[in-house]
Amino acid sequence: DGGITQSPKYLFRKEGQNVTLSCEQNLNHDAMYWYRQDPGQGLRLIYYSQIVNDFQKGDIAEGYSVSREKKESFPLTVTSAQKNPTAFYLCASSSGRLSSYEQYFGPGTRLTVT
Amino acid sequence: SQQGEEDPQALSIQEGENATMNCSYKTSINNLQWYRQNSGRGLVHLILIRSNEREKHSGRLRVTLDTSKKSSSLLITASRAADTASYFCATGPSNTGKLIFGQGTTLQVKP
Repeated sequence: DGGITQSPKYLFRKEGQNVTLSCEQNLNHDAMYWYRQDPGQGLRLIYYSQIVNDFQKGDIAEGYSVSREKKESFPLTVTSAQKNPTAFYLCASSSGRLSSYEQYFGPGTRLTVT
Repeated sequence: SQQGEEDPQALSIQEGENATMNCSYKTSINNLQWYRQNSGRGLVHLILIRSNEREKHSGRLRVTLDTSKKSSSLLITASRAADTASYFCATGPSNTGKLIFGQGTTLQVKP
């Protein structure tokens, strides 16, 4: 089946630890995105990548890092510098690099940091 | 920043009724997209309407776009309990891949 997978579904970490969220797609899409969603809120863009080995900061990149070494993978690291890391994280991909293309979303990872 | 804002924030209706959600945005757009999110899940794309279109249909969904008022509406006709979800509009600068999402409308359809 084609699609986007995110793992794990739930993740618990202690404050001060870095944590990496996985995102894999087999849709052969060029562009990939990471969003953060807080309760009752919309999505905020953390990072996006329009091509392998290139990525751009979104609106809330501070405290996060990404890599795009392979077309199908776009892992997100939540560092200890992120002040409020507890949130629902969504990964998405699109076949084109422009905003006119629909985005396909993974099921999300709910991160809790205590 | 360019952002969609949905109205109302929450909507509760009976099964069989129509549901209308509105989205306003701030700057010129090339297109506007609507997404649906079931609780605790990822988003699913519903429909994309281009700036030169005024209305678009997909099954029980009808989307309108008024670029002069910088607003769009999503109408779900003959709603079902399974339509219960949050609905988001999204817009983005035409020369980038960024989409900016509104805060969403939470729709509850009571059986």
